[in-house]
Amino acid sequence: TQLLEQSPQFLSIQEGENLTVYCNSSSVFSSLQWYRQEPGEGPVLLVTVVTGGEVKKLKRLTFQFGDARKDSSLHITAAQPGDTGLYLCAVDFQGAQKLVFGQGTRLTINP
Amino acid sequence: NAGVMQNPRHLVRRRGQEARLRCSPMKGHSHVYWYRQLPEEGLKFMVYLQKENIIDESGMPKERFSAEFPKEGPSILRIQQVVRGDSAAYFCASSPIKRAFNTEAFFGQGTRLTVV
Repeated sequence: TQLLEQSPQFLSIQEGENLTVYCNSSSVFSSLQWYRQEPGEGPVLLVTVVTGGEVKKLKRLTFQFGDARKDSSLHITAAQPGDTGLYLCAVDFQGAQKLVFGQGTRLTINP
Repeated sequence: NAGVMQNPRHLVRRRGQEARLRCSPMKGHSHVYWYRQLPEEGLKFMVYLQKENIIDESGMPKERFSAEFPKEGPSILRIQQVVRGDSAAYFCASSPIKRAFNTEAFFGQGTRLTVV
């Protein structure tokens, strides 16, 4: 059983559209991170959310941490081909020395 | 300041051979983490090391896998007698201090191991 469930697993949309991807769990976390991984590369940290209900913006990306700190969403406005990649959510497990990742949402933005 | 360097980027081994994956952390980083990513999956924690010490190897298979981070030189993930199921991308991350929730761990580009 996955600690973190990400949905959808695959998403392909046209340039300019908006989208939201989700990261859900039945567990409560003190913080949650979002990463983007491009083909052939390692994951790059986008944001860390800490407070229940917290919203963070990174240009066209909006991250929200659920009020109960069990889930998170990533919303992209006016998607661009450069947004293509694997989006991973992750949480610290057992004292912050091991990150547990969701299986990811593979996003493709078509020109 | 160079990032986390992993080599080789691609490694092909025949079943039964040994694979040695190297990771040079960022300058000044003394904490190293290894993760494995199977195709179409997220990353799974394998082992956490500090210089000369294995701190947590709870995610590493008990047999055939070992890791080290010597006082001098890169961290090494060693897989003996590889099998097809070991084919995956192996990522190393490093951090300057013991990670807290707001401490970023920087990932390398990974080594893609293919066992034929």
